[in-house]
Amino acid sequence: KQEVTQIPAALSVPEGENLVLNCSFTDSAIYNLQWFRQDPGKGLTSLLLIQSSQREQTSGRLNASLDKSSGRSTLYIAASQPGDSATYLCAASGGGADGLTFGKGTHLIIQP
Amino acid sequence: DADVTQTPRNRITKTGKRIMLECSQTKGHDRMYWYRQDPGLGLRLIYYSFDVKDINKGEISDGYSVSRQAQAKFSLSLESAIPNQTALYFCATSETETTSTDTQYFGPGTRLTVL
Repeated sequence: KQEVTQIPAALSVPEGENLVLNCSFTDSAIYNLQWFRQDPGKGLTSLLLIQSSQREQTSGRLNASLDKSSGRSTLYIAASQPGDSATYLCAASGGGADGLTFGKGTHLIIQP
Repeated sequence: DADVTQTPRNRITKTGKRIMLECSQTKGHDRMYWYRQDPGLGLRLIYYSFDVKDINKGEISDGYSVSRQAQAKFSLSLESAIPNQTALYFCATSETETTSTDTQYFGPGTRLTVL
């Protein structure tokens, strides 16, 4: 059974810092790895999707990497802003599971 | 207009009541999913449908049923609601699942409280 773990569970940093969120998964036979953002009481917004054959994807200040062999993905946020405060979820597609298998998320607070 | 919509957005009900949550999509996707989110547990898959005639149980289907009325509509029912079904429910769609380029698109969620 695929399991996805996110570390840390919570993170608070001053505005302007660069930061890294970590995601690990147990079954490397994934189709892709997705990162989502969730604001309090809201739905999920897709940030980045990394295909199983890719090593990284970039969108603006966000960069996501994927290392299938080690079962790890990271989300790098450059020059953090208070508006980046949210919960960040990673989810693996495939790996023996139907639908997406989600981590429990990292709750990020950017201090002004 | 949103591509994936859910109704109602909020619902409070009592133990034993039958509840239906509805999901509609305008993306033209064949695949639709229902997830629930609980604090500290993340999102978990309840049911999914590959097309109108193909419905499958997910990780936590007990106590739930679904209906795929059309390609665009996928409903989740709680036949007799119980308090531990209090959660945030999300509907999602995808064009396929078996490609590395496909993504899932989520609705805004339904907050359900069972008293």
